[in-house]
Amino acid sequence: DTEVTQTPKHLVMGMTNKKSLKCEQHMGHRAMYWYKQKAKKPPELMFVYSYEKLSINESVPSRFSPECPNSSLLNLHLHALQPEDSALYLCASSQDPRGNTEAFFGQGTRLTVV
Amino acid sequence: DAKTTQPTSMDCAEGRAANLPCNHSTISGNEYVYWYRQIHSQGPQYIIHGLKNNETNEMASLIITEDRKSSTLILPHATLRDTAVYYCIVIRNTNAGKSTFGDGTTLTVKP
Repeated sequence: DTEVTQTPKHLVMGMTNKKSLKCEQHMGHRAMYWYKQKAKKPPELMFVYSYEKLSINESVPSRFSPECPNSSLLNLHLHALQPEDSALYLCASSQDPRGNTEAFFGQGTRLTVV
Repeated sequence: DAKTTQPTSMDCAEGRAANLPCNHSTISGNEYVYWYRQIHSQGPQYIIHGLKNNETNEMASLIITEDRKSSTLILPHATLRDTAVYYCIVIRNTNAGKSTFGDGTTLTVKP
């Protein structure tokens, strides 16, 4: 199994809603990542988890709250988002938190904030 | 992590080799060169990576210059399905796999 699975594929939420994005991998990878991608732009790193601990937060607003309940799961909790937060949210994992192993990406969750 | 520079777009005829250049003139000795591609509306897909030697796998070849300041990704026989945005990324070995994507090259393979 070389897949990173993200759910849901599409999500529409209001600015007062609370929702969560889920990411799962069963490759035994010890690093997991969240990226945000706006239309026609490259992915931007948001968070990195290394051995289930948050190791990088790229100054992401607190309305985005990551969680890594175990080595296979990564969640992104969303609260009080703004329309400009509408984007494709990508999850990725890699075997080793160091930079010498490739990352596997999920297909993303396309989020629309109304 | 070092910054990379890639042409905005390139065209290639189907069946011909596609050569995608990348400049990473500020690369450090412990930084790898990675290539990913992203087909429309999908997640990025890993292609290949290298440190200083040339590399080849079932998808592509990676040629890194001797001074490591630039590299070229070669798709030997491009197909229409290779139309995508190709990202060249430099990643430090000691970093937590932090990938800073540049703007990439949009490769269009034409029949």
